[in-house]
Amino acid sequence: ILNVEQSPQSLHVQEGDSTNFTCSFPSSNFYALHWYRWETAKSPEALFVMTLNGDEKKKGRISATLNTKEGYSYLYIKGSQPEDSATYLCASTANSGNTGKLIFGQGTTLQVKP
Amino acid sequence: GAVVSQHPSRVICKSGTSVKIECRSLDFQATTMFWYRQFPKQSLMLMATSNEGSKATYEQGVEKDKFLINHASLTLSTLTVTSAHPEDSSFYICSARLPAGGKEGYTFGSGTRLTVV
Repeated sequence: ILNVEQSPQSLHVQEGDSTNFTCSFPSSNFYALHWYRWETAKSPEALFVMTLNGDEKKKGRISATLNTKEGYSYLYIKGSQPEDSATYLCASTANSGNTGKLIFGQGTTLQVKP
Repeated sequence: GAVVSQHPSRVICKSGTSVKIECRSLDFQATTMFWYRQFPKQSLMLMATSNEGSKATYEQGVEKDKFLINHASLTLSTLTVTSAHPEDSSFYICSARLPAGGKEGYTFGSGTRLTVV
């Protein structure tokens, strides 16, 4: 994998449903994987920064896992609420002198219907 | 928390004019800022990295004379789109690395929607 890829591109779920999306990233020279939540007309909001293989992080109803060997991360939302509607971005940074460049996926746009 | 203020949020300009976009770190010092561009249905693409007091580093394919970046202080970085053309119409957003380093994440401005007519 040369780029960061996210799937699905968009998702429509009913309130109360649990959902998950995928982020694939280059596993070579991996440094960190970032998840952001981005609402229209606002700044992207940092959710998680993950670095260790097997890492699992949780913030309320949202959690994420990381597999650095195979180059993927999952983001889970339990019991989706309308306020979870947003675009979820993942980005990876490579360990190339820690320049700090974030390489982004295209995002997954989540729409939660009441 | 650490906040980056980006202005303007929207701008419409005539072809051939220049437009300046500002990003200010409000409660921390940003030694490094990143400028991204996003075309419809595509991901945020890094344009350049600006470091306070030195020249910006541009990504391959980004014209440095077209997109002038200035990072003259620890709290302000600017992107000037010179002699703008309709194909420069896009969404531009800045980001600053938080003081603790890359593992602590980055904070973003709210973006600028540029339309060149």
